[in-house]
Amino acid sequence: EPEVTQTPSHQVTQMGQEVILRCVPISNHLYFYWYRQILGQKVEFLVSFYNNEISEKSEIFDDQFSVERPDGSNFTLKIRSTKLEDSAMYFCASSANRGPAKNIQYFGAGTRLSVL
Amino acid sequence: DAKTTQPTSMDCAEGRAANLPCNHSTISGNEYVYWYRQIHSQGPQYIIHGLKNNETNEMASLIITEDRKSSTLILPHATLRDTAVYYCIVRAGNTPLVFGKGTRLSVIA
Repeated sequence: EPEVTQTPSHQVTQMGQEVILRCVPISNHLYFYWYRQILGQKVEFLVSFYNNEISEKSEIFDDQFSVERPDGSNFTLKIRSTKLEDSAMYFCASSANRGPAKNIQYFGAGTRLSVL
Repeated sequence: DAKTTQPTSMDCAEGRAANLPCNHSTISGNEYVYWYRQIHSQGPQYIIHGLKNNETNEMASLIITEDRKSSTLILPHATLRDTAVYYCIVRAGNTPLVFGKGTRLSVIA
């Protein structure tokens, strides 16, 4: 069964450093998403991406964040200068725009980001 | 904010049906009801979704009331592996998922 793959599973970084979280969406999907979950809190939407551009973003997704689809398979989230409060699980998701699974978002296992 | 209301927690005996309720009284005509679950801190897992008709798949059944203001997710024979937080989400089209706090289901042996 196809799945969303995220790497690394755990990333430790120093405050102020840049991090790139990587995702390989399901191959025929065209919509891509990033969500985050701070420990003990709700899953929060960050950004959605379609047709090589951001389609929607939340207030959390400020200028420190950026997303990119550098090639035909990867989808990345970059945090330019990490802060302690960026420590969270980051989940990538993807969905198809047609077919029986249209609009269903499938999630990866997540990357745990720890900012020290 | 989430447009749904769910109980904070529920218990279910292993092998019995787990019935998880959800209220969504302000649901719009073009919004679907989606159910996801999250086991420990893993990624949310899609379970089922529906618009107005009852739906069933290999994981669960979804019963939506005729007025669409509430729904129930049914796990027919709960196992210990079904212990998770279950989220009921209403959404239209391909809009972002808005997660609430969900229902923490504990399946007890």
